[in-house]
Amino acid sequence: DVKVTQSSRYLVKRTGEKVFLECVQDMDHENMFWYRQDPGLGLRLIYFSYDVKMKEKGDIPEGYSVSREKKERFSLILESASTNQTSMYLCASSHRDRREQYFGPGTRLTVT
Amino acid sequence: GIQVEQSPPDLILQEGANSTLRCNFSDSVNNLQWFHQNPWGQLINLFYIPSGTKQNGRLSATTVATERYSLLYISSSQTTDSGVYFCAVEEGNNAGNMLTFGGGTRLMVKP
Repeated sequence: DVKVTQSSRYLVKRTGEKVFLECVQDMDHENMFWYRQDPGLGLRLIYFSYDVKMKEKGDIPEGYSVSREKKERFSLILESASTNQTSMYLCASSHRDRREQYFGPGTRLTVT
Repeated sequence: GIQVEQSPPDLILQEGANSTLRCNFSDSVNNLQWFHQNPWGQLINLFYIPSGTKQNGRLSATTVATERYSLLYISSSQTTDSGVYFCAVEEGNNAGNMLTFGGGTRLMVKP
């Protein structure tokens, strides 16, 4: 079974803090993704990566950066957290050819 | 970009009833997935079905790519089926495997 794990289920941070969200997959997938989910807005893609050290912007990259130093790990970074980044963050991965995405359990981030 | 619409937005069923959820999309796709989001927020893969029909227990799905829709059937529903069902598609000309999600169908199954 594919397993995607995220570093925290719940996280509370203060405005202006630097926040790291970690995602690890164990299936040697090339592609990894970060989404956020908000009521009324659905799931939206923030960034994705199709290889180590490669990244592409999704629909809403502003205020975020990412890092992929190893194939199994994809990090989402909030350089200076703001209250409008309070959200559910979901990580996913997929094989380059198979294309079926698998999701982690999510991190519910609250910025106060 | 591609538009994805799901219907109905909300559905309440009595345990044991059957239901059909629909997903319409506005352009050709090379990937279509159905997910169930449980009350804890986890998205669980139900089907990877860019075309054709698949069955898994009480669930089945059909995608008619030429007519740009997919259907998810739930038979003999159980309270554990409650949650939000999402359809997500990848555009046919998308090299990056990026999914666009529909708005979801929120299902409540009453005992």
